Amino acid sequence: AQSVTQLDSHVSVSEGTPVLLRCNYSSSYSPSLFWYVQHPNKGLQLLLKYTSAATLVKGINGFEAEFKKSETSFHLTKPSAHMSDAAEYFCVVTLFGNEKLTFGTGTRLTIIP
Amino acid sequence: NAGVTQTPKFQVLKTGQSMTLQCAQDMNHNSMYWYRQDPGMGLRLIYYSASEGTTDKGEVPNGYNVSRLNKREFSLRLESAAPSQTSVYFCASSRTSAGNTIYFGEGSWLTVV
Repeated sequence: AQSVTQLDSHVSVSEGTPVLLRCNYSSSYSPSLFWYVQHPNKGLQLLLKYTSAATLVKGINGFEAEFKKSETSFHLTKPSAHMSDAAEYFCVVTLFGNEKLTFGTGTRLTIIP
Repeated sequence: NAGVTQTPKFQVLKTGQSMTLQCAQDMNHNSMYWYRQDPGMGLRLIYYSASEGTTDKGEVPNGYNVSRLNKREFSLRLESAAPSQTSVYFCASSRTSAGNTIYFGEGSWLTVV
């Protein structure tokens, strides 16, 4: 079985300050993990993915995530928030391929000018 | 770069009416998917097509049918719409279903009254 929990439904940060979006997963085996971003009225776009290679994964737009097996976490970070980062972010896990993706409930990121 | 195109973008239906959501991708992908997105629930898979000529149920298939018309096109049909089917629907595609990046359309907002 697999599941994913996004620990915060809403995060607000000031422009220029660090971003941390938290994701914990539950999986019987080594999963593949993804972060997707959804801007208002748009489809989802892949930010980054972990597939059992390097545990620190770098994505687009300055985001990165670290896979920590001991903590079953895959938190998303960015050193300095930009106004364009305001969006909804989804943590996604799969053991068996795309038809078995499990999406988290999302974290809405607000950037304060 | 069209990517994944879905139509219509907005639709209001009366209970009991039928409609078809159309989806086409121009990336020569083998696998295509239909998801629904409801507030606080992330995305849930309705149906998918791992390759041309095959379709399979996802997590929430009841009340829906699909057709993989050819490699490019994958339609979703609501035979008798119900208010519980009010949602945002996303079509997506990937090169294969084995963990490749999924590309999403921009969504179709459906309201059933």
